Amino acid sequence: DAKTTQPNSMESNEEEPVHLPCNHSTISGTDYIHWYRQLPSQGPEYVIHGLTSNVNNRMASLAIAEDRKSSTLILHRATLRDAAVYYCILRVLPSGNTPLVFGKGTRLSVIA
Amino acid sequence: DSGVTQTPKHLITATGQRVTLRCSPRSGDLSVYWYQQSLDQGLQFLIQYYNGEERAKGNILERFSAQQFPDLHSELNLSSLELGDSALYFCASSEVLAGALNEQFFGPGTRLTVL
Repeated sequence: DAKTTQPNSMESNEEEPVHLPCNHSTISGTDYIHWYRQLPSQGPEYVIHGLTSNVNNRMASLAIAEDRKSSTLILHRATLRDAAVYYCILRVLPSGNTPLVFGKGTRLSVIA
Repeated sequence: DSGVTQTPKHLITATGQRVTLRCSPRSGDLSVYWYQQSLDQGLQFLIQYYNGEERAKGNILERFSAQQFPDLHSELNLSSLELGDSALYFCASSEVLAGALNEQFFGPGTRLTVL
C-alpha cells in the first residue's frame, strides 16, 4: 500500500475552518484517497473519499492536488465534536473489499 | 450508532487465559474485519472474513483465531494471553458491492486488559 504522511497534531479554534494535510507522493493511478476519523472512545468512522476531483459532503470537503501527491481535508467550521484523530488512507477501488491500513493520523484539538 | 455491535465492552483477565470477543455486523454486511489498537502500534488489521470464509490476514498472532458464523456474526478468540495483548479490539463490517465504496462501519470496540 502506498504510504501517507500527516502531521502528528493540529489545533483549531471553534467555528474556524480547519485544513488537515496529507502527503501521498507514491500514490498510484488506481488509489482513491479516503479519510476516516476516530472520535474519543469510539471506533473510526468514514468521512469522505475522492480520486481526482475535489469532493464535498455533509461532513467535510476534500481538496486533491492536481498531481494527486497531496490532499487536504477541510472542515469548514470546526466544532468541539470534531476533536478526533483523522486518518488519510489510500485504497484501490473498485476492489473495496479490503482492509484499511491506518497510519498514525493527525490528532485535531478544537479550542472553545 | 454504526449498527455494528461488540460484546463485551470491557474484559479484564489474567495472563495465560483465553477470551472470546464477539461482533455482530450491520444487517446485510457480508465482510467482517478485526482490528487491534494499542498505544504503541496504533490501529492494525488482524483478519477479515467474507461470508463465512477467511479472506485476508494481517498481523494476527498464532495465539489468535477468528471465525464467522452462518448468521454472519464473528468471534475473535485470544488464547495464552500476555500483558502485551492489552488493547482495544475493533470489529468493522462492510457490504460488498462490485465497484462501490464499501466503506467500513466500526463497532464501539472491546477493551481488553490483561493483568
